[in-house]
Amino acid sequence: TQLLEQSPQFLSIQEGENLTVYCNSSSVFSSLQWYRQEPGEGPVLLVTVVTGGEVKKLKRLTFQFGDARKDSSLHITAAQPGDTGLYLCAGALGTSGSRLTFGEGTQLTVNP
Amino acid sequence: DTGVSQDPRHKITKRGQNVTFRCDPISEHNRLYWYRQTLGQGPEFLTYFQNEAQLEKSRLLSDRFSAERPKGSFSTLEIQRTEQGDSAMYLCASSFGKNIQYFGAGTRLSVL
Repeated sequence: TQLLEQSPQFLSIQEGENLTVYCNSSSVFSSLQWYRQEPGEGPVLLVTVVTGGEVKKLKRLTFQFGDARKDSSLHITAAQPGDTGLYLCAGALGTSGSRLTFGEGTQLTVNP
Repeated sequence: DTGVSQDPRHKITKRGQNVTFRCDPISEHNRLYWYRQTLGQGPEFLTYFQNEAQLEKSRLLSDRFSAERPKGSFSTLEIQRTEQGDSAMYLCASSFGKNIQYFGAGTRLSVL
């Protein structure tokens, strides 16, 4: 059973469309990160959210952390082909903040 | 800031051989993590070090796997008697304390 469930697993859209990726869990996380990964490369951090209800914006990307710190969403406005990649959410459990638990990822393809 | 460096980037080996990967973390980071990622999945935690001490190991880390960080700087991950199921991307990350983890580009292992 996956601790962090991401949906959808695959998403193919046209340039200019909006999209939302969801990350859900039954566990409470002390923080949650969103990463983007290109083929053959390691994940690159996009944002960290730590406070329940927190909303962070990064240009066309909006990240939200649920009030109960169990879920998060990533919304992309006016997607561009350069947004193509694997989007991963990852949560840190407890106060030790050691291991990250990752979702399975959402493979996004933005077609020109 | 040279980032997290991993070597080699790719390794092809025959089943039954031993392999060793190296990770050089960001220089001021005291924590170092190893993750494994198979195709279509998010990374899975293997183990982490704080300085030279290995503080946590996942059940995924069978007795054929061993990781070291002898001087609290670089780390090595060795897999003995490799099996085809060991084929994956092995990712290293580092952090200062329980802050953000920064990932290397990974070592892609193919066991034939």
